[in-house]
Amino acid sequence: QVQLQESGPGLVKPSETLSLTCTVSGGSINSYYWSWIRQPPGKGLEYIGYIYYSGGTNYNPSLKSRVTFSVETSKNQFSLRLTSVTAADTAVYYCARAGVADAFDIWGQGTMVTVSS
Amino acid sequence: AIQLTQSPSSLSASIGDRVTITCRTSQGIGSALAWYQQKPGKPPKLLIYDASSLESGVPSRFSGSGSGTDFTLTISSLQPEDFATYYCQQFNSYLITFGQGTRLEIK
Repeated sequence: QVQLQESGPGLVKPSETLSLTCTVSGGSINSYYWSWIRQPPGKGLEYIGYIYYSGGTNYNPSLKSRVTFSVETSKNQFSLRLTSVTAADTAVYYCARAGVADAFDIWGQGTMVTVSS
Repeated sequence: AIQLTQSPSSLSASIGDRVTITCRTSQGIGSALAWYQQKPGKPPKLLIYDASSLESGVPSRFSGSGSGTDFTLTISSLQPEDFATYYCQQFNSYLITFGQGTRLEIK
């Protein structure tokens, strides 16, 4: 079955760039919408955006000026870059697949990213 | 952005109880609503999509209903593994949004 795995640094300094990659295994990235969602410690879920395998994107307006998604179909991976991070960006970051009826039916385990000097 | 308000924010219930969680949206979304269950340290798990469709593998004690602006998630008979936080999510607009969550605890 399809599985997702996030990878990237767990600690990022303020004002620097957060970069994460999600690897899709057990299936092809060449369909569906692939999303990033984050969850600050003890808080709720925040949608960051999605990327389609062909490269089309949709970003949360609150993050749009700082976020960029990319996809590498040959590696079955998609990535997130978030610039100029602050402590408010500290969160567990999840990648997820938008499947049937656009609901998020498959999630990665999540990776905790802390923004601190 | 479409706002989602869940109620209650938390509730205590006993094994075997019937539980209902409500999600109200700030504007009509048709049936473009999903429900998730999240346990500590784990990613959310999809329970319901399209307001009332049960995700494959999810026990039939979970059900969803509603359309427009008012939606409910019902657990017909609580089991020990159901104690978790539940989120609703709308995907009617390009900006997907989640409810604030409902924490379900053991009484």
